[in-house]
Amino acid sequence: DTEVTQTPKHLVMGMTNKKSLKCEQHMGHRAMYWYKQKAKKPPELMFVYSYEKLSINESVPSRFSPECPNSSLLNLHLHALQPEDSALYLCATRSYNEQFFGPGTRLTVL
Amino acid sequence: ELKVEQNPLFLSMQEGKNYTIYCNYSTTSDRLYWYRQDPGKSLESLFVLLSNGAVKQEGRLMASLDTKARLSTLHITAAVHDLSATYFCAVDNRGSQGNLIFGKGTKLSVKP
Repeated sequence: DTEVTQTPKHLVMGMTNKKSLKCEQHMGHRAMYWYKQKAKKPPELMFVYSYEKLSINESVPSRFSPECPNSSLLNLHLHALQPEDSALYLCATRSYNEQFFGPGTRLTVL
Repeated sequence: ELKVEQNPLFLSMQEGKNYTIYCNYSTTSDRLYWYRQDPGKSLESLFVLLSNGAVKQEGRLMASLDTKARLSTLHITAAVHDLSATYFCAVDNRGSQGNLIFGKGTKLSVKP
C-alpha cells in the first residue's frame, strides 16, 4: 500500500466551529507532515511528526492543533478559524528518498 | 535559509514545441523533486533526483540535476495539451525533519 488517504475531501466551516482533518498511511513511514497550500502558491510546512512526536511547528497559530494518535494516523484539529485559513491542506509521509502526498482537504472558512 | 527559485513562473506554449523549466536552489542538497499539480488537486510526484548528474525521463518530460551548479531542469519535448498544469520543484530542507522547500511553481499552458 503506497497511499496516503485524507478525509474529508472538502470541508466548509464557520469561524466558531470545531472540526478535524484526518490523514492515514500504512507504509510504515515514521515521519508525517501537514502542509498548507493557498491558491496559486506552493505548499508551506505547518507541522512535522517524527516517531509520533511533534518535532517541528512552523509558528502555526494555536487554532490549528495537530495530533498523532499512532504511527498510521495524523489529525489536524481546527477551532475558531479565520477566512484566511481557507486553503488546501496536504498530509504527507516520507520514506528515505521520497515524500508521498495525500489527496488533500479543501477547507473553506466562512 | 534554503531558497528555491523557479523560472519561468508562467509558460504558454504551442503544441509540438520544446521548452525548459529551471530550478535553482541556494544551499547544498543532493535530492531534488519535481511535482505536477492539476487545478484543485494534490501533488503528483514526477521525478526524484538523488545525485549529481541524475537524468530521468518519463514520456515527454525529462529532468536533470547538477548539484554543483545547484540547478535542475525539467525539459518538455513536443508539448501536448495534457501537459498543462503547474509544475513545482522542491528540495530537501537539510538539517530539518525531511520536509521539502518548494519553488513558486511554473504554470504551464499548452495551446493547440
